[in-house]
Amino acid sequence: DTGVSQDPRHKITKRGQNVTFRCDPISEHNRLYWYRQTLGQGPEFLTYFQNEAQLEKSRLLSDRFSAERPKGSFSTLEIQRTEQGDSAMYLCASSSTQGANEQYFGPGTRLTVT
Amino acid sequence: DAKTTQPPSMDCAEGRAANLPCNHSTISGNEYVYWYRQIHSQGPQYIIHGLKNNETNEMASLIITEDRKSSTLILPHATLRDTAVYYCIVRAYYGNNRLAFGKGNQVVVIP
Repeated sequence: DTGVSQDPRHKITKRGQNVTFRCDPISEHNRLYWYRQTLGQGPEFLTYFQNEAQLEKSRLLSDRFSAERPKGSFSTLEIQRTEQGDSAMYLCASSSTQGANEQYFGPGTRLTVT
Repeated sequence: DAKTTQPPSMDCAEGRAANLPCNHSTISGNEYVYWYRQIHSQGPQYIIHGLKNNETNEMASLIITEDRKSSTLILPHATLRDTAVYYCIVRAYYGNNRLAFGKGNQVVVIP
């Protein structure tokens, strides 16, 4: 399977704890995106990498959130001091600079903060 | 900051063509129309995109009006597995790389 993978698929944590999610993009894709989706809403853009450079961040990405893509391959999204409002599906997508730049999404990580 | 308008939901009959409308009256000249869908509990799936010509692939057809202010996604023979939320998104081909999803259109295919 050469699609986008995300780990873990589900995470339950207590308020105040830190969590880290991992995304492995399609291998030849140099662009990687993070989105967040809450119940009943469409995904909302969080941040975007081209290779290892983080080129764009949404205002939704508060200072408790940090994303990295150290070698231009996999990426991690860390949330520090989680709050109940962080409960959501966190989606990762990747794309190539070739063609239509269509984004291919992973299955997401469902975060529940209790 | 979605710039499209879709009906919140619609039903369609299994085996029939499903026509999904989208209004994007403020679309600018360098913006494409992209369609994605999201089946329950899965990540969004790219379907098709177009600029001004009609497009067809193995999944669907995209019809864009001449003034580009609206478009229709056509699923030629809807199946139960096509039940999903469908998102119509306008986006510049270059530059801003984010996808601005709205709430989409919940399409239910009825047997």
